Amino acid sequence: QKEVEQDPGPLSVPEGAIVSLNCTYSNSAFQYFMWYRQYSRKGPELLMYTYSSGNKEDGRFTAQVDKSSKYISLFIRDSQPSDSATYLCAMRGTGNTPLVFGKGTRLSVIA
Amino acid sequence: DADVTQTPRNRITKTGKRIMLECSQTKGHDRMYWYRQDPGLGLRLIYYSFDVKDINKGEISDGYSVSRQAQAKFSLSLESAIPNQTALYFCATSDLADNEQFFGPGTRLTVL
Repeated sequence: QKEVEQDPGPLSVPEGAIVSLNCTYSNSAFQYFMWYRQYSRKGPELLMYTYSSGNKEDGRFTAQVDKSSKYISLFIRDSQPSDSATYLCAMRGTGNTPLVFGKGTRLSVIA
Repeated sequence: DADVTQTPRNRITKTGKRIMLECSQTKGHDRMYWYRQDPGLGLRLIYYSFDVKDINKGEISDGYSVSRQAQAKFSLSLESAIPNQTALYFCATSDLADNEQFFGPGTRLTVL
């Protein structure tokens, strides 16, 4: 079993929809959780960062971490065509441990 | 100017050739990383370096080597390229807190 599992999609939604993206993981040592967004032909960029369990909100984006279930989510409200991209979850443990990425979910928001 | 640059941006080469991909950063970060991205497989870590004297193997280091020439420069070499090394390669940097990695624009490598 890969350490981080993420449904690759593709996911297609109409403009204005609420989008839910998810990752599960197996390593209970993971403490830092991130979501990166990658537009076509570009490098990934950090979208959300969360430490340990809980929720974090930034505008239309909400990141949730449930460590007891080893499950993280990214919600996008009022989705826009400009949100069309690949979303990658990433996580790591404490200390000098490298990030482990999910495979990424390709999202298309249709106007 | 971009904070993290990669050269070349595109490269087509033949099996058995030696290839070097270069990465430079102006962010002043100590930590640098090389990843490859393949359709359906996501980003996989090849090598990483926490400072000039530190080099660590990642998940898929076989067939690759790296050189950290300076704080700002981290090169990835394919000693004898093979077709299954065809992929999109990304360099990234982070500071000591490592809460965010900054990625370059990527190098698209094709091995024929």
